[in-house]
Amino acid sequence: DVKVTQSSRYLVKRTGEKVFLECVQDMDHENMFWYRQDPGLGLRLIYFSYDVKMKEKGDIPEGYSVSREKKERFSLILESASTNQTSMYLCASSLARVYEQYFGPGTRLTVT
Amino acid sequence: RKEVEQDPGPFNVPEGATVAFNCTYSNSASQSFFWYRQDCRKEPKLLMSVYSSGNEDGRFTAQLNRASQYISLLIRDSKLSDSATYLCVVRGGVNTGFQKLVFGTGTRLLVSP
Repeated sequence: DVKVTQSSRYLVKRTGEKVFLECVQDMDHENMFWYRQDPGLGLRLIYFSYDVKMKEKGDIPEGYSVSREKKERFSLILESASTNQTSMYLCASSLARVYEQYFGPGTRLTVT
Repeated sequence: RKEVEQDPGPFNVPEGATVAFNCTYSNSASQSFFWYRQDCRKEPKLLMSVYSSGNEDGRFTAQLNRASQYISLLIRDSKLSDSATYLCVVRGGVNTGFQKLVFGTGTRLLVSP
């Protein structure tokens, strides 16, 4: 079974803090993705990576950066957290050229 | 206009009922189509892929109409455990980049005893 894990289920941070969200997958998947999910807006792609050290912007990359130093790990960084980044963050992974994505349990981030 | 549109529901149905959801997509070059299921406070999980010829998996039937650009999901003999949000997902076509999936906002199904 594919397993995608995320570092925290719930996180509360203050405005202006730097926030790190980590995602690890154990199935040697090439592709990894970060989404945020908000009511009425659905899942929106922030960044994705198809290889180590490679990254591509998704639909809403502003205010975020990512890091992929190892194949199994994909980190999302909020450089200076703001209240409008309060959301559910979901990490996903997939094999190259296979479109099914496997999701982690999500991190509910609250920025106060 | 949203790339993928779904009726948010909720659809309230009794156990044993048949229920159908539709989803429309705007990019006529879209190449792959899926239904994901998301339980409350859980992550989305693939329910089934949608093929041009239509496909069935037990009580679930998915169909694709490329001419009208819509996808449907039919659930027969609804169970309480089918209560969830169903996400319509489309993979962009040529020029929309890589393996990007576009998710609808979901249709909520509530099955009652």
